[in-house]
Amino acid sequence: RKEVEQDPGPFNVPEGATVAFNCTYSNSASQSFFWYRQDCRKEPKLLMSVYSSGNEDGRFTAQLNRASQYISLLIRDSKLSDSATYLCVVNYRDNNNDMRFGAGTRLTVKP
Amino acid sequence: DVKVTQSSRYLVKRTGEKVFLECVQDMDHENMFWYRQDPGLGLRLIYFSYDVKMKEKGDIPEGYSVSREKKERFSLILESASTNQTSMYLCASSSNRDRENYGYTFGSGTRLTVV
Repeated sequence: RKEVEQDPGPFNVPEGATVAFNCTYSNSASQSFFWYRQDCRKEPKLLMSVYSSGNEDGRFTAQLNRASQYISLLIRDSKLSDSATYLCVVNYRDNNNDMRFGAGTRLTVKP
Repeated sequence: DVKVTQSSRYLVKRTGEKVFLECVQDMDHENMFWYRQDPGLGLRLIYFSYDVKMKEKGDIPEGYSVSREKKERFSLILESASTNQTSMYLCASSSNRDRENYGYTFGSGTRLTVV
């Protein structure tokens, strides 16, 4: 079993749609959680951290369920510019040097 | 703007060559990492370093070595390049401070082709 698992997609949605990605992780001792965005042939960039109470940043909402060991990302009112691969990332240690990456979920938003 | 800089964007090398990939960060981060990324496999950790002159093996260290002589620089070395090392190589850094908010910062990647 992979340490961090994501549905690879692709998710193809029309502009304005709401789309949700889930991610499960295997290590219950995981300390912190993130969603990264990666555009084609570019490096991953931090989209948002995921806090225990859930958090929102504009059209993006991240949730964490420690009991079930999953993280979710919800994108509302999808834009063409949201097309990218979204990586779920789990940090095993307290000192930020043991991150485990999911393989990514590819999203394409179409006009 | 904080930065992680990788020396080459694209690189073509011959089988058997010794290859050096350089990474420099200007954020005074303690931790630095080398990953490779391949389609369907995601990011796989090759080596990381949490301090100058310190290094630890990641998940796939075979065929690679690293050097961290200065805090800001972390080099990845392919001792004898092989075609199965053709990949996108990503360097990243992180701080032991602000760890819950900022995660890793990545360089723009080096796409290495071994022929």
